[in-house]
Amino acid sequence: DVVMTQSPLSLSVTLGQPASISCRSSQSLVHNDGNTYLNWFQQRPGQSPRRLIYKVSNRDSGVPDRFSGSGSGTDFTLKISRVEAEDVGVYYCMQHTHWPPWTFGQGTKVEI
Amino acid sequence: EVQLVESGGGLVQPGGSLRLSCEASGFTFSSYWMNWVRQAPGKGLEWVANIKQDGSEKYYVDSVKGRFIISRDNAENSLYLQMNSLRAEDTAVYYCVRATSFAVWGQGTMVTVSS
Repeated sequence: DVVMTQSPLSLSVTLGQPASISCRSSQSLVHNDGNTYLNWFQQRPGQSPRRLIYKVSNRDSGVPDRFSGSGSGTDFTLKISRVEAEDVGVYYCMQHTHWPPWTFGQGTKVEI
Repeated sequence: EVQLVESGGGLVQPGGSLRLSCEASGFTFSSYWMNWVRQAPGKGLEWVANIKQDGSEKYYVDSVKGRFIISRDNAENSLYLQMNSLRAEDTAVYYCVRATSFAVWGQGTMVTVSS
């Protein structure tokens, strides 16, 4: 199974300042088809998870451009350029290159 | 509007059974793999099971193999999870999720296993 490891597990940020979350996989997430199937999700308090980023760096519809994803192989990063109050919540990375199982990181709690 | 609505959660005793349902709308249900993902109280996300468009392939996380059964009814735009031999560690919010890219999530239904 592919193990997804996020760091830090908790992040205290200042409004308007940048934030960065790291996600590492136990093996390369490059698929045989050339794509890298790494997603990022946001879960606000009391809400269902919402996909923010797919295939490493593609933002979903409606996701503010202050969110960006980058990385390759086994190392990936989610960046928030300027944190806003609505960004509080838990962020998860997830891989769907090697399955089953589909695996998530432990989550990173972002607070102001 | 694309929507997934789960139901069927509740309180059940250890060793008991429960059947979860997920009703899909706003998209062609029969065109997508479908998943169940769970989240124990205060914990992270765990993929539980999924099923191919025509039901010909099904996968389960090791901890539920032999106890849970995923199924679907494309005519009814519905996904199901039959949960048997329930344990305390199965207590969680269960989400219905569209596709292997996990693009769309329902609001979840709470399952509590306790005596």
